[in-house]
Amino acid sequence: GQSLEQPSEVTAVEGAIVQINCTYQTSGFYGLSWYQQHDGGAPTFLSYNGLDGLEETGRFSSFLSRSDSYGYLLLQELQMKDSASYFCAVNSGWGQGNLIFGKGTKLSVKP
Amino acid sequence: SAVISQKPSRDICQRGTSLTIQCQVDSQVTMMFWYRQQPGQSLTLIATANQGSEATYESGFVIDKFPISRPNLTFSTLTVSNMSPEDSSIYLCSVAGSDNSPLHFGNGTRLTVT
Repeated sequence: GQSLEQPSEVTAVEGAIVQINCTYQTSGFYGLSWYQQHDGGAPTFLSYNGLDGLEETGRFSSFLSRSDSYGYLLLQELQMKDSASYFCAVNSGWGQGNLIFGKGTKLSVKP
Repeated sequence: SAVISQKPSRDICQRGTSLTIQCQVDSQVTMMFWYRQQPGQSLTLIATANQGSEATYESGFVIDKFPISRPNLTFSTLTVSNMSPEDSSIYLCSVAGSDNSPLHFGNGTRLTVT
């Protein structure tokens, strides 16, 4: 079967750094994406890794190791507004729309 | 990135009825995708809508239950047919500008079936 594993919940304080891990097992792999979803909102694209290594976008970074079927999202200088659910998603087929999503990690940022 | 508008944003429907959800994009896109997100759950791809051909459905989803139209490169509809309470979900339209661009989502349609 196809599966993505990520922690269900993470709690951190403002200003801290948090890492959300994602391991995957899929029949195909074209890249790993990360999405943020606030309660009641739509998923918003954060980052994409098609190749091994680190991608940095402001306070957010994402890492991929294809040999380990593993990636992570790193959030730095946490702010209250970062409280949301974060989903990793594998592009398992041709075209970015064919995404398999993890179950999401609910991040709570405390003052 | 593309601007995606979905209508309605939410609806409460009675079981046995059908609801058609509209998705409008501000630019032409080859493929449009319909996802479902059940309460507290992750996103699951329902089908891929290509202009000029029948939609491609994922395992567990069938055309009779979720008929899709794609009349042009900027518009698509998803119908949830013969609804039951188990169909209560958020339905999301999404597009990618090209095969290598990220997937962007509309604001979703929050459906409650009573």
